[in-house]
Amino acid sequence: SQKIEQNSEALNIQEGKTATLTCNYTNYSPAYLQWYRQDPGRGPVFLLLIRENEKEKRKERLKVTFDTTLKQSLFHITASQPADSATYLCALVPPGGYNKLIFGAGTRLAVHP
Amino acid sequence: DADVTQTPRNRITKTGKRIMLECSQTKGHDRMYWYRQDPGLGLRLIYYSFDVKDINKGEISDGYSVSRQAQAKFSLSLESAIPNQTALYFCATSDLNNQPQHFGDGTRLSIL
Repeated sequence: SQKIEQNSEALNIQEGKTATLTCNYTNYSPAYLQWYRQDPGRGPVFLLLIRENEKEKRKERLKVTFDTTLKQSLFHITASQPADSATYLCALVPPGGYNKLIFGAGTRLAVHP
Repeated sequence: DADVTQTPRNRITKTGKRIMLECSQTKGHDRMYWYRQDPGLGLRLIYYSFDVKDINKGEISDGYSVSRQAQAKFSLSLESAIPNQTALYFCATSDLNNQPQHFGDGTRLSIL
């Protein structure tokens, strides 16, 4: 079955630096991949979606890349701020998956002033 | 008001009790989902529904049942709760394929 791996260790960075989070998957390539943000006590909030035929997607300070050869997506936050501190979840839909998302466990990001 | 509302937000109950978690949405989406989240694990799909007459099992449906009472309402039941069903439960909605899902703020369920 499809598996998603995200770094379980928290990522600690200094304010103003670029945070890079990794999402690796096994088996077949997903039709598309999504990134969500989750704050403590809240539900996940959608950030970005990237399709299998797209290499990169940007939204303000956020950038997502999708490498189907490496079976990996990278999520970047540039000029990071303490308000970016949260857990970031990677999710994918396999081909023909009808929007049934498979989630990674998430990586916690802490941005220090 | 929240687009996806879950009730209750917190619930503590005993083994063997029947529990219902409710979800309502004002987004007008046809698709609704129930997930559970455990520490160190990703969100796992319990049941999903693509319209009022459609109910489908997800990855971990054993011990759970659902009811889609209307386009806007989707409830999750635990017929006889057991301690390993202690978890965070999330409801989500989406519109069509390949669209983002919109989540409620979850129900924290503890079964003693």
